[in-house]
Amino acid sequence: NAGVTQTPKFRILKIGQSMTLQCTQDMNHNYMYWYRQDPGMGLKLIYYSVGAGITDKGEVPNGYNVSRSTTEDFPLRLELAAPSQTSVYFCASSRTGNQPQHFGDGTRLSIL
Amino acid sequence: RKEVEQDPGPFNVPEGATVAFNCTYSNSASQSFFWYRQDCRKEPKLLMSVYSSGNEDGRFTAQLNRASQYISLLIRDSKLSDSATYLCGPMNNNAGNMLTFGGGTRLMVKP
Repeated sequence: NAGVTQTPKFRILKIGQSMTLQCTQDMNHNYMYWYRQDPGMGLKLIYYSVGAGITDKGEVPNGYNVSRSTTEDFPLRLELAAPSQTSVYFCASSRTGNQPQHFGDGTRLSIL
Repeated sequence: RKEVEQDPGPFNVPEGATVAFNCTYSNSASQSFFWYRQDCRKEPKLLMSVYSSGNEDGRFTAQLNRASQYISLLIRDSKLSDSATYLCGPMNNNAGNMLTFGGGTRLMVKP
C-alpha cells in the first residue's frame, strides 16, 4: 500500500551541484505532478505529466527538468542548484485531471 | 486576481466552536473542487471532494456557490486535532484540467 514514494526525504546541496529527486507511484495513475512549498506558503506547481512520454511546465519551471519514461516514475532534476531552490518538494499523482491528488511525504532540500 | 484565493488566517477558535473558511476561484469553467488538510511539515491529504452543490462528512460540510465562484468549508464542534492548514483546490481548465491550489487557511483550535 505504498501510494506515492519520494526519495530522498532530506538533502543538503552546495550551490551549483545537481541532483535528481525521485518519485514513484504504484496506483497506475496517469497524472503526476511536482510542487514546491516554501515555508508558510502555498503549493506552487513546477511540472506535471498527463501520461508516459508527456510533460508540461507549471507555474515555476525555471531551474528544473522532468521526464516521464514510465507510468510509475516522474523524477525531478535540478541542474545547477541555487539557494532560491531551498524548499520542500512534493510529488503527487491522480488517476485523471478531475480526480483528487495523492501526495508523497515530501523531500526537504536545502542549498547552501 | 489570483486563480484561487484563501484567507491565510490564522483562525483562532476555542474547542467546540464552529468555524468556516471560504475559497474563491476565478475560472468559471472549474468543475471539480477539493479540500485538503495539511499538518505542519507534512504532505496535504484529501479531506473532502465537492463535485456538485456540496457534501457533508461528519463534522465537516463543504458547499459550492457557482454564482459567486467560491467554495466553503464548515467545521462544527472543533477539536484540538483539527488544527492544521486547509487548502482548497479547484480544477483549472485553462491548464489542461490542472488543479490550482489556494495558499491555505491556517486553523488553530485552542483548549
